Amino acid sequence: DAGITQSPRHKVTETGTPVTLRCHQTENHRYMYWYRQDPGHGLRLIHYSYGVKDTDKGEVSDGYSVSRSKTEDFLLTLESATSSQTSVYFCAISREGTDTQYFGPGTRLTVL
Amino acid sequence: GDSVTQMEGPVTLSEEAFLTINCTYTATGYPSLFWYVQYPGEGLQLLLKATKADDKGSNKGFEATYRKETTSFHLEKGSVQVSDSAVYFCALSGTSGSRLTFGEGTQLTVNP
Repeated sequence: DAGITQSPRHKVTETGTPVTLRCHQTENHRYMYWYRQDPGHGLRLIHYSYGVKDTDKGEVSDGYSVSRSKTEDFLLTLESATSSQTSVYFCAISREGTDTQYFGPGTRLTVL
Repeated sequence: GDSVTQMEGPVTLSEEAFLTINCTYTATGYPSLFWYVQYPGEGLQLLLKATKADDKGSNKGFEATYRKETTSFHLEKGSVQVSDSAVYFCALSGTSGSRLTFGEGTQLTVNP
């Protein structure tokens, strides 16, 4: 157990509204990641962070922004949600010096 | 770029049957290779990993061998149980180390 929680676990929202998902970790790991999971695509990286205020884009970053103002929290924001962003979102961490990632329980987001 | 290809699913087996889920990859250098498992309604759990050619990862009766000559990392289990029903993901960590590239996932159902 890597001490990762995600909130909310489920959310239904309407097109055009802003949405923020939170990932919280308790072990002060430097590296954190946001993925989305869609049928037929596996998991795809949205953004990742390698320290406080240090973030970078993944392969599907359009329409998403992130922030990391403290080590334990990594926020994913959809500025104006669209139906194509309906997905399950997973946060992950990796421990210093390893490439193994550990995943949170996920957030199921539905955009109507 | 890096890519992972898994055998198409879903796969349905009877209890105690032999399981193979094929995974092949494309990557530069010497990636680490992973199998993750996702049980219904949960996040991804690391099942096993291998970091160099000819390494064998194993856990809970599952095994996979890193075959560089065939760029493969097939998952096997000699006798599956109903409790093994889940989605299995093959993944690799590229030379950048900052992201995992996932296959599409393979749904396994084991019937009593």
